[in-house]
Amino acid sequence: DGGITQSPKYLFRKEGQNVTLSCEQNLNHDAMYWYRQDPGQGLRLIYYSQIVNDFQKGDIAEGYSVSREKKESFPLTVTSAQKNPTAFYLCASTETGYRTDTQYFGPGTRLTVL
Amino acid sequence: DQQVKQNSPSLSVQEGRISILNCDYTNSMFDYFLWYKKYPAEGPTFLISISSIKDKNEDGRFTVFLNKSAKHLSLHIVPSQPGDSAVYFCAASAGGSYIPTFGRGTSLIVHP
Repeated sequence: DGGITQSPKYLFRKEGQNVTLSCEQNLNHDAMYWYRQDPGQGLRLIYYSQIVNDFQKGDIAEGYSVSREKKESFPLTVTSAQKNPTAFYLCASTETGYRTDTQYFGPGTRLTVL
Repeated sequence: DQQVKQNSPSLSVQEGRISILNCDYTNSMFDYFLWYKKYPAEGPTFLISISSIKDKNEDGRFTVFLNKSAKHLSLHIVPSQPGDSAVYFCAASAGGSYIPTFGRGTSLIVHP
């Protein structure tokens, strides 16, 4: 059963702590993406990776970091430098990174900073 | 500066009628457009797409229309069903890479 999994579904963090959100896909897709969604807002791109060991900043990368050591995994770390981290985070993947690919999304992680 | 605008935050439609969701864009380099559907606390799912070389694309009850001169696209759902109630995102991309810019979404409610 192929798809994208994100864990945990809900995450609470104290201010000043770093936290890592997991994203795993078994679709054998080359490209993976992290988005952030805030209430009443569209999806904003944080980071993307089109191949293992390579990733690019999106529109709102400040305060976030990623790694892409394996094709199936693209974890996102929300650092203490991110000023407003409370949001819904979505991971996605596409087969090749070409625009006519279908983008598949995970179920999301809701991060709340206490 | 929003490059993809969905000016209606919400839309309410009776079951069986047509739902029309609108999207405007400002970047003339955009040449590939997509619609996604999203239920609460879930990830979006791809619905339908259109390339700028076309002005219409159909898939079952869903049709997307593109008016390049007006930089406007619309999604028509006919007939609307209660299960269509969700947030619909319009997205657009330029060039070969899959890096779409998303609108803020329109919440569609279909009443039985």
